Amino acid sequence: KAGVTQTPRYLIKTRGQQVTLSCSPISGHRSVSWYQQTPGQGLQFLFEYFSETQRNKGNFPGRFSGRQFSNSRSEMNVSTLELGDSALYLCASSGSSSASGNTIYFGEGSWLTVV
Amino acid sequence: GQQLNQSPQSMFIQEGEDVSMNCTSSSIFNTWLWYKQDPGEGPVLLIALYKAGELTSNGRLTAQFGITRKDSFLNISASIPSDVGIYFCAGQGPGTYKYIFGTGTRLKVLA
Repeated sequence: KAGVTQTPRYLIKTRGQQVTLSCSPISGHRSVSWYQQTPGQGLQFLFEYFSETQRNKGNFPGRFSGRQFSNSRSEMNVSTLELGDSALYLCASSGSSSASGNTIYFGEGSWLTVV
Repeated sequence: GQQLNQSPQSMFIQEGEDVSMNCTSSSIFNTWLWYKQDPGEGPVLLIALYKAGELTSNGRLTAQFGITRKDSFLNISASIPSDVGIYFCAGQGPGTYKYIFGTGTRLKVLA
């Protein structure tokens, strides 16, 4: 079974631009969550989607948005990029529809550098 | 952002030694997960815990869900060089889909 696939793996953007990251979950998984990882803040929850609906959102500004498609693939978008948005963005998928016992499996991440 | 207290922050051990690390929270959790992350890669799930008091093993790794539901422990026995990496705990509270992660334990194994 293929794991969580994220694209692109690496990208460099300029301040003020916007970026879209893509995530394909493990086959059969319908829950997709996104996390930001930085040296200073560690792993921080961005949002979680299930059946195209956002069920939980972390404490990030509105510049961070996401969506999920009917095939469970997900995208996240960051608009008006700032230097502080440089981070590893991780997508995780889960086969559980409920919060209880919701084990998440990560992809390899997308490294975003904002210059 | 929120992070769980994870200790120790780093460890340097000799090959063959046992390792212990733990995570603590001020609130209760329903699920604890433990991950290992290598440089430039995403976290890889090691062990999942779903019940207070649960003790689960995965090869040389053993993890426990604390009875208070506010802590968890990971032990690695007979460490080997490939155990090098950063270990994270993650806890999920009742009624939420988000996980809060620990600050990480950086493990280095000296051959």
